[in-house]
Amino acid sequence: QVLLEESGGGVVQPGRSLRLSCAASGFSFDDFVIHWVRQAPGKGLEWVALIWHDGSKKYYADSVKGRFIISRDNSKNTLYLQMNTLSVEDTAFYYCARDEDDGAIDHWGQGTLVTVSS
Amino acid sequence: SYELTQPSSVSVSPGQTARITCSGDVLAKKTGRWFQQKPGQAPVLVIYRDTERPSGIPERFSGSSSGTTVTLTISGAQVEDEADYYCFSAAGNNLYVFGTGTKVTVL
Repeated sequence: QVLLEESGGGVVQPGRSLRLSCAASGFSFDDFVIHWVRQAPGKGLEWVALIWHDGSKKYYADSVKGRFIISRDNSKNTLYLQMNTLSVEDTAFYYCARDEDDGAIDHWGQGTLVTVSS
Repeated sequence: SYELTQPSSVSVSPGQTARITCSGDVLAKKTGRWFQQKPGQAPVLVIYRDTERPSGIPERFSGSSSGTTVTLTISGAQVEDEADYYCFSAAGNNLYVFGTGTKVTVL
């Protein structure tokens, strides 16, 4: 059974940092591209970043480029999202999601809520 | 920036056909995917590569593509199909973009 479980969300002040984790199980983690996707409360989905199966390539949405860093530790079956210089616009549920084939995201976590507020 | 535009809402009677469009320049060269999201739940993939349906997705869900538009069709919509639907596509250079989302109401 494929499982993705996000953690690390919470309330943080503007300008501060936060690191999210995504623990994967039930599949060969190092065979898959993984995405981070976010959704502000009551709003639509927004693609955030992706990382290749071996971590060699990373790509970011313009809205987070230069502030967020995606990484993975395949020995721990874990994905990370380091979020720096957070702003209120970053308030959202953050999902990690497995890419089965070129954007065919077939499994999602349940999401972790990040609230940026003073 | 890359944009995918969807109608904000679509209403359909049970048993009728609902069509949701998604338009954007990137779709001229890239294929589309569709996700269904119900309140409080993570999205579910219902169509990939414009027309392919993952296992477990009912046959009433189908996809098509023409030019810079992809379309999700729900043939014989059921009450349980009421949800938000999002298109999704690669936008070149390993970047991706979601559509603006469509709320489908079945009543």
